[in-house]
Amino acid sequence: EIVLTQSPGTLSLSPGERATLSCRASQSVSRNYLAWYQQKPGQAPRLLIYGASSRATGIPDRFSGSGSGTDFTLTISRLEPEDFAVYYCQQYVGSPPITFGGGTKVEIK
Amino acid sequence: EVQLVESGGALVQPGGSLRLSCAASGFIFTNYAMTWVRQAPGKGLEWVSAISGDDVSTYYTDSVKGRFTVSRDNSKNTLYLQMNSLGAEDTALYYCAKNAASGTAFYDYWGQGTLVTVSS
Repeated sequence: EIVLTQSPGTLSLSPGERATLSCRASQSVSRNYLAWYQQKPGQAPRLLIYGASSRATGIPDRFSGSGSGTDFTLTISRLEPEDFAVYYCQQYVGSPPITFGGGTKVEIK
Repeated sequence: EVQLVESGGALVQPGGSLRLSCAASGFIFTNYAMTWVRQAPGKGLEWVSAISGDDVSTYYTDSVKGRFTVSRDNSKNTLYLQMNSLGAEDTALYYCAKNAASGTAFYDYWGQGTLVTVSS
């Protein structure tokens, strides 16, 4: 099972700042089968990024994903008020089990 | 418009059973694998189970194997999760999610979830 470790646990930033979130895998994530989701309080997760770097439909271009192998990054170039939320990475290599990271909370400083 | 609507969550005693449903619309249901993901109160996301679009293959996380059964009725566009021998560790909000594409297991649509509480 691939274990995903997200850091930091909490990121305190101001609107307009750049956010850099990390997701590290316990073994290589082949074919860059890594996704990122955003979850706001009381809401279901929303797909942001798949294939490590492809934006999902309707996702603003201030969200970008990068990385390969065991190290992946989600970058929000300029935080908007609606971007303060919890972000999860997820790997989907091969057959289950599918695993999620523990999440990074982006909060207003 | 894709919609996923879960139902069936409830307060149940330890050792009890529950069946969750997820009604799907807005896409060709039989073309897509479907997945259950749960989230314990204040915790992160946990993948639980998945089923192929043709109802041939099913998958489970280790902690629910032998207790949970995923199924689907493609004539009714509905996904199910039969949960038996429930314990406190199963208390969570259960989401159904649509796999985005064939052969991949990331999720482009999610329901709003149904709450399962296991307590005496």
